[in-house]
Amino acid sequence: QSALTQPASVSGSPGQSITISCTGTSSDVGSNNFVSWYQQHPGKAPKLMIYEGSKRPSGVSNRFSGSKTGNTASLTISGLQAEDEADYYCCSFAGSSTWIFGGGTKLTVL
Amino acid sequence: QVQLVESGGGVVQPGKSLRLSCAASGFTFSNYAIHWVRQAPGKGLEWVAVISDDGTNKYYADSVKGRFTLSRDNSKNTLFLQMNSLRAEDTAVYYCAREWTYWYFDLWGRGTLVTVSS
Repeated sequence: QSALTQPASVSGSPGQSITISCTGTSSDVGSNNFVSWYQQHPGKAPKLMIYEGSKRPSGVSNRFSGSKTGNTASLTISGLQAEDEADYYCCSFAGSSTWIFGGGTKLTVL
Repeated sequence: QVQLVESGGGVVQPGKSLRLSCAASGFTFSNYAIHWVRQAPGKGLEWVAVISDDGTNKYYADSVKGRFTLSRDNSKNTLFLQMNSLRAEDTAVYYCAREWTYWYFDLWGRGTLVTVSS
């Protein structure tokens, strides 16, 4: 099963908003609402930022939001800050007790 | 302190075996399913496997099925990933991650690097 499709890179200036897309199929992203997003800084472990497509765990800034339409999920970061520069990965339950990640998107804050 | 700590990584020749461990602390380990996720150098995350809270159910990605085996010892708050017939493409940082509300990973270890090379 191929990875979910994400843009390799996105960029934005401080204060701006950016959106990262994550496209799957009707067997994963499109079949359920169990999409999550993870932030990973270089050399660090991933951190859960969004779950159930649009919910934020306790402690995650409300500048992070998620949505989903059909087979595509999206992560939006508003009011970009320097510390948001990181890699971002989407993840979806793919059925039969398996999970699938996106290829990752490198966010650069200009 | 709530944490997961991986160990056991290293350099191994193709075709050989390696066993990774994931030690948990600060929470009731036996209440949680635990996953392994790996990341090849400079690449993205890849889901590898999951073991249920009581160890009875185990599921694997096709890329490792038949070669990797999960087990856990809840009395010692430790999880094991036995990796056999290792290939160059298994080279990666291996993370263990706690499953939260069935679908998500809310606690990750810092990872352990496995390098498969002759």
